[in-house]
Amino acid sequence: EPEVTQTPSHQVTQMGQEVILRCVPISNHLYFYWYRQILGQKVEFLVSFYNNEISEKSEIFDDQFSVERPDGSNFTLKIRSTKLEDSAMYFCASSEEGRGLNTEAFFGQGTRLTVV
Amino acid sequence: DQQVKQNSPSLSVQEGRISILNCDYTNSMFDYFLWYKKYPAEGPTFLISISSIKDKNEDGRFTVFLNKSAKHLSLHIVPSQPGDSAVYFCAASANSGSEKLVFGKGTKLTVNP
Repeated sequence: EPEVTQTPSHQVTQMGQEVILRCVPISNHLYFYWYRQILGQKVEFLVSFYNNEISEKSEIFDDQFSVERPDGSNFTLKIRSTKLEDSAMYFCASSEEGRGLNTEAFFGQGTRLTVV
Repeated sequence: DQQVKQNSPSLSVQEGRISILNCDYTNSMFDYFLWYKKYPAEGPTFLISISSIKDKNEDGRFTVFLNKSAKHLSLHIVPSQPGDSAVYFCAASANSGSEKLVFGKGTKLTVNP
């Protein structure tokens, strides 16, 4: 069964450092997302990406964050200068359709980011 | 700003009995609702969904009910099995050009053998 894969599973980084979280969405999916879950809190939307551009972003997704689809398979989330409060589980997701065509998003296993 | 609320942080049921997980929402623009199951150290796994044009959707042991007037949905699992023990998240999206899902805080279900 096709799945969304994320690497690494756990990333520890020093405050102020840049991190790149990587995701391989399901191959025929067109919409890609990043969500995060701070420990003990709910899953929060960060950004959605379609047709090589951001289609929506939340207030969390400030200038320190960026996303990229550098090739036909990978989808990355970059945090330029990490802060302690960026520590969270980051989930990548993809879906076949969006924009008014209801369909479920499939999530990866997550990357646990720890900023020290 | 809790647009999707799951007011019960935990629920414990006996194997074979029915589990009922509840979810309330405030945004009347939501028109698609989903339930995800999550095990520790894993990502959310899609379980079942319902469009706002329906009031019930069934898939095997899982049934989701939607009451639009009350802005309430529920997930019924019957019969419950120990393997169903997980955190269940209710999520919603609005058909407004946005693809994002808004999640509730989750309900931890424990099914006792």
